[in-house]
Amino acid sequence: AQSVTQLGSHVSVSEGALVLLRCNYSSSVPPYLFWYVQYPNQGLQLLLKYTSAATLVKGINGFEAEFKKSETSFHLTKPSAHMSDAAEYFCARRADGGYNKLIFGAGTRLAVHP
Amino acid sequence: GAVVSQHPSWVICKSGTSVKIECRSLDFQATTMFWYRQFPKQSLMLMATSNEGSKATYEQGVEKDKFLINHASLTLSTLTVTSAHPEDSSFYICSASRLPEAFFGQGTRLTVV
Repeated sequence: AQSVTQLGSHVSVSEGALVLLRCNYSSSVPPYLFWYVQYPNQGLQLLLKYTSAATLVKGINGFEAEFKKSETSFHLTKPSAHMSDAAEYFCARRADGGYNKLIFGAGTRLAVHP
Repeated sequence: GAVVSQHPSWVICKSGTSVKIECRSLDFQATTMFWYRQFPKQSLMLMATSNEGSKATYEQGVEKDKFLINHASLTLSTLTVTSAHPEDSSFYICSASRLPEAFFGQGTRLTVV
């Protein structure tokens, strides 16, 4: 089955601390993977994507993610959290069959406190 | 980057009326667009895949007659919520496909009273 699992519905970090948001996928073939950020009452903004090229992917706003096939993971990290990073983060995979039908994880709400 | 514009950003309607939401790709052509629904503090649920010039493909459990989708041009898809009821209140988000990415609109907050 094609699925995306995000461990931890809520993550809280201090400003300046490491951010780690976890994402695991279920698939026999490594899919395209994405991380999106959503601010309240807004659409989704793409942070970064994995499309079978480099396994370490750098995105916007200092975020990066590493694709690990052996662990079927695509965790999102940022070395130093900023208050503006507080938002909802979604990991997604492209569904099999083409187009760009995305399957989303449940989301992780990141809180950043002073 | 590619821009997808969704309109309106919010709408309040009376129960029993219909509401149309537009999704436009402003600087690229999208043969495929997607419509998602998001309940408060939940993830996005795919409702349907909209293909230009053909009928939309609906996900299991989504009522075709309630959520009418039209994709008449390469830059515009519309979602019409027919005979809206309070339980249709939700956040609706569209996305347009430009491989290898999908670009999202700003979302529409629908409130049915």
